[in-house]
Amino acid sequence: EAQVTQNPRYLITVTGKKLTVTCSQNMNHEYMSWYRQDPGLGLRQIYYSMNVEVTDKGDVPEGYKVSRKEKRNFPLILESPSPNQTSLYFCATQPGGPRKNIQYFGAGTRLSVL
Amino acid sequence: GQSLEQPSEVTAVEGAIVQINCTYQTSGFYGLSWYQQHDGGAPTFLSYNALDGLEETGRFSSFLSRSDSYGYLLLQELQMKDSASYFCAVRENTNAGKSTFGDGTTLTVKP
Repeated sequence: EAQVTQNPRYLITVTGKKLTVTCSQNMNHEYMSWYRQDPGLGLRQIYYSMNVEVTDKGDVPEGYKVSRKEKRNFPLILESPSPNQTSLYFCATQPGGPRKNIQYFGAGTRLSVL
Repeated sequence: GQSLEQPSEVTAVEGAIVQINCTYQTSGFYGLSWYQQHDGGAPTFLSYNALDGLEETGRFSSFLSRSDSYGYLLLQELQMKDSASYFCAVRENTNAGKSTFGDGTTLTVKP
Protein backbone atom coordinates (compact mmCIF):
# COMPACT_ATOMS: atom_id res chain seq x y z
CA GLU A 1 0.00 0.00 0.00
CA ALA A 2 1.31 3.45 -1.00
CA GLN A 3 2.02 5.41 2.14
CA VAL A 4 3.49 8.58 3.57
CA THR A 5 4.20 7.82 7.22
CA GLN A 6 4.85 10.46 9.84
CA ASN A 7 5.97 9.80 13.40
CA PRO A 8 5.03 10.66 16.01
CA ARG A 9 1.40 11.59 15.39
CA TYR A 10 1.22 13.59 18.62
CA LEU A 11 4.01 15.20 20.58
CA ILE A 12 4.11 17.44 23.62
CA THR A 13 7.49 18.88 24.48
CA VAL A 14 9.11 21.79 26.28
CA THR A 15 10.87 24.84 24.98
CA GLY A 16 14.43 24.17 23.88
CA LYS A 17 14.34 20.38 23.81
CA LYS A 18 15.49 19.19 20.39
CA LEU A 19 13.07 16.99 18.51
CA THR A 20 12.78 15.20 15.18
CA VAL A 21 9.62 14.35 13.28
CA THR A 22 10.20 11.57 10.80
CA CYS A 23 8.63 11.17 7.38
CA SER A 24 8.99 8.08 5.27
CA GLN A 25 7.49 7.17 1.90
CA ASN A 26 7.35 3.88 -0.01
CA MET A 27 6.37 5.30 -3.39
CA ASN A 28 9.84 6.21 -4.68
CA HIS A 29 8.69 9.80 -5.14
CA GLU A 30 11.21 12.43 -6.15
CA TYR A 31 9.90 15.38 -4.18
CA MET A 32 9.19 15.70 -0.47
CA SER A 33 7.98 18.69 1.54
CA TRP A 34 7.14 19.78 5.05
CA TYR A 35 4.22 22.07 5.83
CA ARG A 36 2.77 23.55 8.96
CA GLN A 37 -0.88 24.39 9.40
CA ASP A 38 -2.23 26.77 12.02
CA PRO A 39 -5.90 27.40 12.84
CA GLY A 40 -7.67 29.28 10.08
CA LEU A 41 -4.64 29.25 7.87
CA GLY A 42 -3.60 27.19 4.92
CA LEU A 43 -0.55 25.02 4.68
CA ARG A 44 2.68 26.94 4.77
CA GLN A 45 5.68 25.25 3.23
CA ILE A 46 8.70 24.96 5.51
CA TYR A 47 11.22 23.11 3.33
CA TYR A 48 11.12 20.96 0.25
CA SER A 49 13.47 18.51 -1.40
CA MET A 50 13.82 17.73 -5.08
CA ASN A 51 15.96 14.63 -4.54
CA VAL A 52 18.61 13.12 -2.29
CA GLU A 53 20.86 15.82 -0.83
CA VAL A 54 18.89 18.57 -2.60
CA THR A 55 16.74 20.76 -0.37
CA ASP A 56 15.46 24.31 -0.45
CA LYS A 57 13.60 26.72 1.79
CA GLY A 58 9.89 27.19 1.63
CA ASP A 59 8.05 30.21 2.97
CA VAL A 60 8.62 29.65 6.71
CA PRO A 61 11.98 27.87 7.23
CA GLU A 62 13.14 29.75 10.34
CA GLY A 63 13.68 27.45 13.32
CA TYR A 64 13.63 24.24 11.26
CA LYS A 65 16.17 21.98 9.62
CA VAL A 66 15.75 19.09 7.20
CA SER A 67 17.91 16.48 5.55
CA ARG A 68 17.45 14.08 2.65
CA LYS A 69 20.13 11.43 2.95
CA GLU A 70 17.91 8.73 1.48
CA LYS A 71 15.15 9.08 -1.09
CA ARG A 72 12.49 7.59 1.17
CA ASN A 73 13.14 9.68 4.31
CA PHE A 74 12.82 13.40 4.98
CA PRO A 75 13.03 14.21 8.71
CA LEU A 76 12.08 17.59 10.14
CA ILE A 77 14.34 18.78 12.95
CA LEU A 78 13.56 21.44 15.52
CA GLU A 79 16.86 22.19 17.23
CA SER A 80 15.39 24.45 19.90
CA PRO A 81 11.59 24.40 19.74
CA SER A 82 9.63 27.43 20.88
CA PRO A 83 5.92 27.82 21.68
CA ASN A 84 5.28 29.55 18.34
CA GLN A 85 6.15 26.26 16.65
CA THR A 86 3.10 24.63 18.18
CA SER A 87 1.24 23.55 15.09
CA LEU A 88 -0.03 20.71 12.92
CA TYR A 89 2.72 19.46 10.62
CA PHE A 90 2.29 17.59 7.35
CA CYS A 91 4.83 15.80 5.22
CA ALA A 92 4.02 15.48 1.52
CA THR A 93 5.52 13.72 -1.46
CA GLN A 94 5.26 14.21 -5.22
CA PRO A 95 6.27 11.83 -7.99
CA GLY A 96 8.35 13.02 -10.89
CA GLY A 97 7.12 12.94 -14.43
CA PRO A 98 3.58 13.77 -15.57
CA ARG A 99 2.06 13.33 -12.11
CA LYS A 100 4.51 15.64 -10.36
CA ASN A 101 1.80 18.18 -9.63
CA ILE A 102 -0.01 15.85 -7.23
CA GLN A 103 1.02 15.97 -3.59
CA TYR A 104 0.36 13.01 -1.28
CA PHE A 105 0.14 13.96 2.38
CA GLY A 106 0.92 12.07 5.56
CA ALA A 107 -1.62 11.93 8.39
CA GLY A 108 -0.04 14.83 10.25
CA THR A 109 1.84 15.42 13.49
CA ARG A 110 0.30 17.57 16.21
CA LEU A 111 3.08 19.30 18.09
CA SER A 112 2.67 21.28 21.29
CA VAL A 113 5.66 23.19 22.67
CA LEU A 114 5.14 24.32 26.26
CA GLY B 1 4.67 39.10 -2.33
CA GLN B 2 2.95 35.80 -2.73
CA SER B 3 -0.72 35.49 -1.94
CA LEU B 4 -3.74 33.43 -2.76
CA GLU B 5 -7.20 34.61 -1.86
CA GLN B 6 -10.26 32.44 -1.45
CA PRO B 7 -13.47 32.92 0.54
CA SER B 8 -13.23 31.74 4.13
CA GLU B 9 -16.65 30.08 4.24
CA VAL B 10 -19.32 28.85 1.87
CA THR B 11 -22.64 27.22 2.73
CA ALA B 12 -24.87 25.27 0.36
CA VAL B 13 -27.58 22.61 0.46
CA GLU B 14 -27.43 19.00 -0.61
CA GLY B 15 -27.80 18.54 -4.33
CA ALA B 16 -26.80 22.10 -5.14
CA ILE B 17 -23.79 23.42 -7.08
CA VAL B 18 -21.14 25.54 -5.40
CA GLN B 19 -18.18 27.45 -6.80
CA ILE B 20 -15.08 28.28 -4.75
CA ASN B 21 -12.95 31.01 -6.24
CA CYS B 22 -9.21 31.54 -5.94
CA THR B 23 -7.17 34.51 -7.08
CA TYR B 24 -3.42 34.41 -6.87
CA GLN B 25 -0.39 36.64 -6.95
CA THR B 26 2.85 34.65 -6.86
CA SER B 27 6.43 35.04 -7.99
CA GLY B 28 6.09 32.17 -10.45
CA PHE B 29 3.19 30.20 -11.86
CA TYR B 30 3.18 26.75 -13.34
CA GLY B 31 -0.22 25.53 -12.30
CA LEU B 32 -3.13 25.66 -9.83
CA SER B 33 -4.16 22.71 -7.69
CA TRP B 34 -7.09 22.03 -5.40
CA TYR B 35 -7.07 19.93 -2.24
CA GLN B 36 -9.76 18.77 0.16
CA GLN B 37 -9.23 18.40 3.90
CA HIS B 38 -11.65 16.94 6.43
CA ASP B 39 -11.34 18.10 10.06
CA GLY B 40 -7.56 18.48 10.21
CA GLY B 41 -6.90 15.22 8.41
CA ALA B 42 -4.51 14.70 5.55
CA PRO B 43 -5.27 16.95 2.55
CA THR B 44 -6.15 14.99 -0.56
CA PHE B 45 -5.61 16.05 -4.16
CA LEU B 46 -8.67 16.94 -6.23
CA SER B 47 -7.61 18.66 -9.43
CA TYR B 48 -4.84 20.48 -11.29
CA ASN B 49 -4.84 23.07 -14.07
CA ALA B 50 -1.74 24.17 -15.93
CA LEU B 51 -3.52 25.66 -18.94
CA ASP B 52 -6.58 27.85 -19.31
CA GLY B 53 -9.88 26.07 -19.33
CA LEU B 54 -11.94 23.52 -17.50
CA GLU B 55 -10.83 20.16 -16.09
CA GLU B 56 -13.60 17.76 -15.11
CA THR B 57 -13.32 14.85 -12.70
CA GLY B 58 -16.66 13.36 -11.81
CA ARG B 59 -18.66 15.80 -9.66
CA PHE B 60 -15.68 18.15 -9.38
CA SER B 61 -14.44 20.56 -12.02
CA SER B 62 -11.68 23.13 -11.90
CA PHE B 63 -11.16 26.17 -14.09
CA LEU B 64 -8.17 28.38 -14.73
CA SER B 65 -7.68 31.75 -16.40
CA ARG B 66 -3.98 32.60 -16.39
CA SER B 67 -4.56 36.08 -17.81
CA ASP B 68 -6.85 36.89 -14.86
CA SER B 69 -4.74 35.02 -12.26
CA TYR B 70 -7.96 33.31 -11.28
CA GLY B 71 -9.34 29.86 -10.88
CA TYR B 72 -12.28 28.10 -9.31
CA LEU B 73 -13.40 24.73 -8.07
CA LEU B 74 -16.92 23.69 -8.97
CA LEU B 75 -18.67 21.03 -6.93
CA GLN B 76 -21.89 19.60 -8.33
CA GLU B 77 -24.60 17.45 -6.78
CA LEU B 78 -23.37 18.33 -3.32
CA GLN B 79 -23.39 15.61 -0.69
CA MET B 80 -23.05 15.90 3.07
CA LYS B 81 -19.63 14.27 2.87
CA ASP B 82 -18.42 17.23 0.79
CA SER B 83 -18.42 19.34 3.97
CA ALA B 84 -14.72 20.04 4.35
CA SER B 85 -12.06 22.66 3.78
CA TYR B 86 -10.87 23.28 0.24
CA PHE B 87 -7.49 24.78 -0.58
CA CYS B 88 -6.11 26.17 -3.78
CA ALA B 89 -2.35 25.94 -4.27
CA VAL B 90 0.03 27.39 -6.82
CA ARG B 91 3.05 25.54 -8.12
CA GLU B 92 5.71 28.20 -8.39
CA ASN B 93 8.69 26.72 -10.14
CA THR B 94 9.70 24.40 -12.92
CA ASN B 95 10.93 21.66 -10.62
CA ALA B 96 7.53 21.41 -8.94
CA GLY B 97 8.91 21.58 -5.41
CA LYS B 98 7.76 25.03 -4.37
CA SER B 99 4.09 25.48 -3.59
CA THR B 100 1.99 28.16 -1.93
CA PHE B 101 -1.44 27.39 -0.50
CA GLY B 102 -4.42 29.62 0.12
CA ASP B 103 -5.95 29.83 3.60
CA GLY B 104 -8.79 27.55 2.64
CA THR B 105 -12.56 27.69 2.22
CA THR B 106 -14.75 25.86 4.69
CA LEU B 107 -17.71 24.37 2.87
CA THR B 108 -20.74 23.44 4.91
CA VAL B 109 -23.37 21.33 3.17
CA LYS B 110 -26.79 21.43 4.80
CA PRO B 111 -29.61 18.94 4.31
